[in-house]
Amino acid sequence: EDKVVQSPLSLVVHEGDTVTLNCSYEVTNFRSLLWYKQEKKAPTFLFMLTSSGIEKKSGRLSSILDKKELFSILNITATQTGDSAIYLCAVSAGGTSYGKLTFGQGTILTVHP
Amino acid sequence: GAVVSQHPSWVICKSGTSVKIECRSLDFQATTMFWYRQFPKQSLMLMATSNEGSKATYEQGVEKDKFLINHASLTLSTLTVTSAHPEDSSFYICSARDGTGSQNIQYFGAGTRLSVL
Repeated sequence: EDKVVQSPLSLVVHEGDTVTLNCSYEVTNFRSLLWYKQEKKAPTFLFMLTSSGIEKKSGRLSSILDKKELFSILNITATQTGDSAIYLCAVSAGGTSYGKLTFGQGTILTVHP
Repeated sequence: GAVVSQHPSWVICKSGTSVKIECRSLDFQATTMFWYRQFPKQSLMLMATSNEGSKATYEQGVEKDKFLINHASLTLSTLTVTSAHPEDSSFYICSARDGTGSQNIQYFGAGTRLSVL
Protein backbone atom coordinates (compact mmCIF):
# COMPACT_ATOMS: atom_id res chain seq x y z
CA GLU A 1 0.00 0.00 0.00
CA ASP A 2 1.33 3.43 -0.93
CA LYS A 3 2.29 5.57 2.03
CA VAL A 4 3.21 9.23 2.51
CA VAL A 5 4.39 10.55 5.87
CA GLN A 6 4.89 14.20 6.67
CA SER A 7 6.74 15.75 9.58
CA PRO A 8 6.38 17.64 11.73
CA LEU A 9 2.59 17.44 12.03
CA SER A 10 2.49 20.99 13.34
CA LEU A 11 4.93 23.83 13.62
CA VAL A 12 4.71 27.25 15.26
CA VAL A 13 7.22 29.93 14.31
CA HIS A 14 7.58 33.70 14.29
CA GLU A 15 7.68 35.92 11.27
CA GLY A 16 11.07 35.92 9.63
CA ASP A 17 11.95 32.38 10.64
CA THR A 18 12.89 29.75 8.09
CA VAL A 19 11.05 26.43 8.16
CA THR A 20 11.67 23.04 6.59
CA LEU A 21 8.82 20.62 6.07
CA ASN A 22 9.52 16.98 5.41
CA CYS A 23 7.78 14.36 3.33
CA SER A 24 8.83 10.72 3.01
CA TYR A 25 7.11 8.13 0.86
CA GLU A 26 6.84 4.48 -0.03
CA VAL A 27 5.17 4.13 -3.40
CA THR A 28 5.14 1.52 -6.09
CA ASN A 29 5.74 2.96 -9.57
CA PHE A 30 6.58 6.47 -8.38
CA ARG A 31 5.87 9.17 -10.94
CA SER A 32 5.94 12.50 -9.12
CA LEU A 33 5.63 14.27 -5.79
CA LEU A 34 3.45 17.32 -5.34
CA TRP A 35 3.22 19.99 -2.67
CA TYR A 36 -0.02 21.88 -1.98
CA LYS A 37 -0.90 24.70 0.40
CA GLN A 38 -4.33 24.61 1.99
CA GLU A 39 -5.70 27.61 3.78
CA LYS A 40 -9.38 27.73 4.52
CA LYS A 41 -10.65 25.92 1.48
CA ALA A 42 -9.11 24.44 -1.64
CA PRO A 43 -5.54 23.18 -1.70
CA THR A 44 -3.53 25.28 -4.10
CA PHE A 45 -0.76 23.74 -6.13
CA LEU A 46 2.80 24.72 -5.24
CA PHE A 47 5.29 22.36 -6.87
CA MET A 48 5.56 19.12 -8.76
CA LEU A 49 8.85 17.23 -8.53
CA THR A 50 9.83 14.34 -10.72
CA SER A 51 13.63 14.36 -10.78
CA SER A 52 16.09 14.04 -7.94
CA GLY A 53 18.29 16.92 -6.98
CA ILE A 54 16.61 19.62 -9.03
CA GLU A 55 15.35 22.42 -6.84
CA LYS A 56 12.05 24.05 -7.69
CA LYS A 57 11.74 27.60 -6.46
CA SER A 58 8.95 30.14 -6.25
CA GLY A 59 9.66 33.28 -4.28
CA ARG A 60 10.41 32.34 -0.71
CA LEU A 61 9.39 28.73 -1.24
CA SER A 62 11.61 26.01 -2.59
CA SER A 63 11.47 22.25 -2.76
CA ILE A 64 13.70 19.37 -3.69
CA LEU A 65 13.27 15.65 -4.17
CA ASP A 66 15.57 12.76 -3.29
CA LYS A 67 14.38 9.65 -5.12
CA LYS A 68 17.11 7.50 -3.66
CA GLU A 69 16.19 8.24 -0.06
CA LEU A 70 12.48 8.63 -0.94
CA PHE A 71 11.83 12.03 0.54
CA SER A 72 11.23 15.65 -0.27
CA ILE A 73 11.56 18.88 1.66
CA LEU A 74 9.72 22.15 1.36
CA ASN A 75 11.58 25.22 2.57
CA ILE A 76 9.99 28.53 3.38
CA THR A 77 12.36 31.41 4.14
CA ALA A 78 11.50 34.68 5.88
CA THR A 79 8.08 33.36 6.86
CA GLN A 80 5.09 35.67 6.97
CA THR A 81 1.74 35.33 8.73
CA GLY A 82 0.21 34.64 5.32
CA ASP A 83 2.22 31.43 5.14
CA SER A 84 0.08 29.98 7.93
CA ALA A 85 -1.69 27.01 6.38
CA ILE A 86 -1.72 23.26 6.09
CA TYR A 87 0.99 22.05 3.73
CA LEU A 88 0.14 18.82 2.00
CA CYS A 89 2.54 16.46 0.29
CA ALA A 90 1.14 13.99 -2.23
CA VAL A 91 2.66 11.31 -4.40
CA SER A 92 1.47 10.21 -7.80
CA ALA A 93 2.03 6.65 -8.91
CA GLY A 94 1.78 4.87 -12.21
CA GLY A 95 0.40 1.51 -13.19
CA THR A 96 -3.15 0.79 -12.10
CA SER A 97 -2.99 3.71 -9.70
CA TYR A 98 -2.18 6.21 -12.44
CA GLY A 99 -3.68 9.58 -11.76
CA LYS A 100 -4.38 8.98 -8.08
CA LEU A 101 -2.65 11.02 -5.44
CA THR A 102 -1.76 9.63 -2.05
CA PHE A 103 -1.65 12.42 0.50
CA GLY A 104 0.34 12.71 3.68
CA GLN A 105 -1.27 13.87 6.90
CA GLY A 106 -0.23 17.45 6.32
CA THR A 107 1.87 19.88 8.35
CA ILE A 108 -0.02 22.66 10.09
CA LEU A 109 2.19 25.74 9.99
CA THR A 110 1.37 28.70 12.21
CA VAL A 111 3.37 31.89 11.80
CA HIS A 112 3.00 34.44 14.58
CA PRO A 113 3.69 38.14 14.02
CA GLY B 1 -5.84 28.80 -16.02
CA ALA B 2 -6.68 25.45 -14.38
CA VAL B 3 -9.69 26.62 -12.43
CA VAL B 4 -12.03 24.15 -10.79
CA SER B 5 -15.38 25.36 -9.54
CA GLN B 6 -17.28 23.46 -6.86
CA HIS B 7 -20.85 24.19 -5.85
CA PRO B 8 -22.38 24.64 -3.37
CA SER B 9 -19.74 25.78 -0.90
CA TRP B 10 -21.94 25.01 2.08
CA VAL B 11 -25.11 23.02 2.46
CA ILE B 12 -27.26 22.15 5.44
CA CYS B 13 -29.83 19.40 5.06
CA LYS B 14 -32.11 17.22 7.11
CA SER B 15 -31.28 13.63 7.83
CA GLY B 16 -32.62 11.33 5.12
CA THR B 17 -32.43 13.81 2.28
CA SER B 18 -30.04 13.69 -0.66
CA VAL B 19 -27.52 16.35 -1.57
CA LYS B 20 -25.83 16.91 -4.92
CA ILE B 21 -22.43 18.57 -5.23
CA GLU B 22 -21.11 19.77 -8.59
CA CYS B 23 -17.52 19.99 -9.72
CA ARG B 24 -16.65 21.80 -12.94
CA SER B 25 -13.38 22.39 -14.72
CA LEU B 26 -13.76 25.87 -16.17
CA ASP B 27 -10.87 26.24 -18.57
CA PHE B 28 -9.71 22.74 -19.37
CA GLN B 29 -11.13 19.32 -20.12
CA ALA B 30 -10.91 16.88 -17.25
CA THR B 31 -11.07 13.27 -18.30
CA THR B 32 -10.58 12.33 -14.68
CA MET B 33 -11.95 13.94 -11.56
CA PHE B 34 -11.47 12.89 -7.98
CA TRP B 35 -13.64 13.21 -4.90
CA TYR B 36 -12.10 13.57 -1.46
CA ARG B 37 -13.40 13.84 2.05
CA GLN B 38 -11.57 15.81 4.70
CA PHE B 39 -12.13 15.80 8.45
CA PRO B 40 -11.04 18.77 10.59
CA LYS B 41 -7.29 19.18 10.73
CA GLN B 42 -6.77 15.98 8.79
CA SER B 43 -5.55 15.23 5.31
CA LEU B 44 -7.59 14.46 2.24
CA MET B 45 -9.03 10.99 1.97
CA LEU B 46 -9.74 9.84 -1.58
CA MET B 47 -13.27 8.54 -1.95
CA ALA B 48 -13.49 7.79 -5.65
CA THR B 49 -12.04 8.40 -9.07
CA SER B 50 -14.48 9.61 -11.69
CA ASN B 51 -13.75 8.99 -15.36
CA GLU B 52 -15.77 10.70 -18.06
CA GLY B 53 -18.22 8.34 -19.66
CA SER B 54 -17.58 5.39 -17.38
CA LYS B 55 -18.36 4.18 -13.90
CA ALA B 56 -16.50 5.67 -10.99
CA THR B 57 -13.88 3.66 -9.12
CA TYR B 58 -14.47 3.73 -5.39
CA GLU B 59 -11.85 3.34 -2.71
CA GLN B 60 -12.12 0.55 -0.21
CA GLY B 61 -14.70 1.24 2.45
CA VAL B 62 -16.61 3.87 0.47
CA GLU B 63 -20.23 2.92 -0.20
CA LYS B 64 -20.93 3.42 -3.88
CA ASP B 65 -24.70 3.32 -3.36
CA LYS B 66 -24.46 6.11 -0.83
CA PHE B 67 -22.05 8.33 -2.71
CA LEU B 68 -23.26 8.38 -6.30
CA ILE B 69 -20.85 9.83 -8.81
CA ASN B 70 -21.66 10.90 -12.33
CA HIS B 71 -19.15 12.24 -14.85
CA ALA B 72 -21.27 12.88 -17.89
CA SER B 73 -19.05 15.40 -19.63
CA LEU B 74 -15.41 16.41 -19.79
CA THR B 75 -16.06 19.41 -17.57
CA LEU B 76 -18.58 18.21 -15.00
CA SER B 77 -18.69 15.58 -12.30
CA THR B 78 -21.31 15.34 -9.59
CA LEU B 79 -21.34 13.65 -6.21
CA THR B 80 -24.71 12.85 -4.69
CA VAL B 81 -24.84 11.94 -1.03
CA THR B 82 -27.98 9.84 -0.78
CA SER B 83 -30.07 9.57 2.39
CA ALA B 84 -27.59 11.71 4.27
CA HIS B 85 -27.06 11.15 7.97
CA PRO B 86 -25.22 13.24 10.56
CA GLU B 87 -22.12 11.07 10.24
CA ASP B 88 -21.88 12.15 6.60
CA SER B 89 -21.25 15.71 7.74
CA SER B 90 -17.83 16.61 6.44
CA PHE B 91 -15.86 18.71 3.98
CA TYR B 92 -15.98 17.28 0.48
CA ILE B 93 -13.45 18.43 -2.11
CA CYS B 94 -13.20 17.59 -5.76
CA SER B 95 -10.21 17.82 -8.02
CA ALA B 96 -9.71 17.60 -11.75
CA ARG B 97 -6.76 16.39 -13.74
CA ASP B 98 -5.98 18.11 -17.00
CA GLY B 99 -6.44 15.39 -19.58
CA THR B 100 -4.48 17.20 -22.26
CA GLY B 101 -1.26 17.45 -20.32
CA SER B 102 1.25 14.79 -19.49
CA GLN B 103 1.75 16.14 -16.01
CA ASN B 104 -0.40 14.60 -13.36
CA ILE B 105 -1.36 17.76 -11.50
CA GLN B 106 -4.71 17.83 -9.82
CA TYR B 107 -6.43 21.16 -9.40
CA PHE B 108 -8.86 21.45 -6.54
CA GLY B 109 -12.27 22.99 -6.09
CA ALA B 110 -12.99 25.15 -3.06
CA GLY B 111 -14.81 22.35 -1.29
CA THR B 112 -18.32 21.84 0.04
CA ARG B 113 -19.09 21.80 3.72
CA LEU B 114 -21.99 19.44 4.33
CA SER B 115 -23.88 19.63 7.60
CA VAL B 116 -26.59 17.02 8.14
CA LEU B 117 -29.01 17.77 10.95
